[in-house]
Amino acid sequence: GAVVSQHPSWVICKSGTSVKIECRSLDFQATTMFWYRQFPKQSLMLMATSNEGSKATYEQGVEKDKFLINHASLTLSTLTVTSAHPEDSSFYICSASRLASSTDTQYFGPGTRLTVL
Amino acid sequence: GQSLEQPSEVTAVEGAIVQINCTYQTSGFYGLSWYQQHDGGAPTFLSYNALDGLEETGRFSSFLSRSDSYGYLLLQELQMKDSASYFCAVRVGSSYKLIFGSGTRLLVRP
Repeated sequence: GAVVSQHPSWVICKSGTSVKIECRSLDFQATTMFWYRQFPKQSLMLMATSNEGSKATYEQGVEKDKFLINHASLTLSTLTVTSAHPEDSSFYICSASRLASSTDTQYFGPGTRLTVL
Repeated sequence: GQSLEQPSEVTAVEGAIVQINCTYQTSGFYGLSWYQQHDGGAPTFLSYNALDGLEETGRFSSFLSRSDSYGYLLLQELQMKDSASYFCAVRVGSSYKLIFGSGTRLLVRP
């Protein structure tokens, strides 16, 4: 299979602090990783596309200085929410696409629920 | 712009068949995927159509018509555990980038 993990699964932080979320592909190398945000009962909104060794590509309206993405290797990408505020509280999900995949799909991590007090 | 339309809610009884439609307007199209998401969980991949026609995987089938910018997910022999949200998603580029629809909440009743 293709397993993607995220850590932590949930986090509560105070307003103004920074939170780092890790996304790892456990049994395959990911050419590209994606970061999504999902508010309750809403769809997944793509925040950014992350390629190993290069700068992330952010979607329109997503602040790159607030949501820092680092893709250090073919199995790890990190999202840092800087100076978090209550409105950043959401479900953050990463996904990874597989090198030379025959199914053309993304494999999703279990998500990280962020609550900012 | 990019838009995907799917019904917001569908209700069906256990054992029945349900079809969830998806129409799309996107700048670029490589294929249509379907994902299932239970409350509080992550999306799980169900199917992917790059070419016109029907793909069958067990109780689930997915159809695509590129000329009509339309696809559907067909769920047969519904079970209670199928109650979840179902998202269609269009792959819009060679980078595997996906644009998701708003999701259809399926409620299966006994």
